Amino acid sequence: KAGVTQTPRYLIKTRGQQVTLSCSPISGHRSVSWYQQTPGQGLQFLFEYFSETQRNKGNFPGRFSGRQFSNSRSEMNVSTLELGDSALYLCASSPFPGSGNTIYFGEGSWLTVV
Amino acid sequence: GESVGLHLPTLSVQEGDNSIINCAYSNSASDYFIWYKQESGKGPQFIIDIRSNMDKRQGQRVTVLLNKTVKHLSLQIAATQPGDSAVYFCAEITGGYNKLIFGAGTRLAVHP
Repeated sequence: KAGVTQTPRYLIKTRGQQVTLSCSPISGHRSVSWYQQTPGQGLQFLFEYFSETQRNKGNFPGRFSGRQFSNSRSEMNVSTLELGDSALYLCASSPFPGSGNTIYFGEGSWLTVV
Repeated sequence: GESVGLHLPTLSVQEGDNSIINCAYSNSASDYFIWYKQESGKGPQFIIDIRSNMDKRQGQRVTVLLNKTVKHLSLQIAATQPGDSAVYFCAEITGGYNKLIFGAGTRLAVHP
């Protein structure tokens, strides 16, 4: 069974640009959540999607957005990139919301903003 | 870069010793507590979890202890091996959401 797949794995963007990151959950998993990981702030929750609906959102500015498609695949978008957005962005999937001990992470997308 | 844990506290142990990694959590209403292991360049990997109504849970070579009185969680790794070298995070989860609140993390360095 394939794990959580994130693309691209690495990318470099310039300040002011926007970026879209993609996540394919484990087959059969319908809940997808996103996290940002930085040395200074650690792992922080961005948002959670289930059945194409955002169920929960972390404390991030509106430049951070996401969506989920009918096949449970998800994308997140960061607009007007800032240097501080450089981070590892992690996607996690689980069968459904509230299935706390069955949350599996992908390898992440490394974003560098220059 | 491949490292997101440059300034984490480090626990150094000798191969074969037991390791204890500690974590303080914040929300007394959390339902689940989970330990994750993150190796360099990889995403967090589930190790073991414990429900809030339990005090102790054992897995293969790992034991998690939960002390709700002082909001403290610990992960014990028996007979630590070089492959256990990684960053370890505790996380808490509440209600019907998959929103994990992570601790700061501890780097475990195992020396032969």
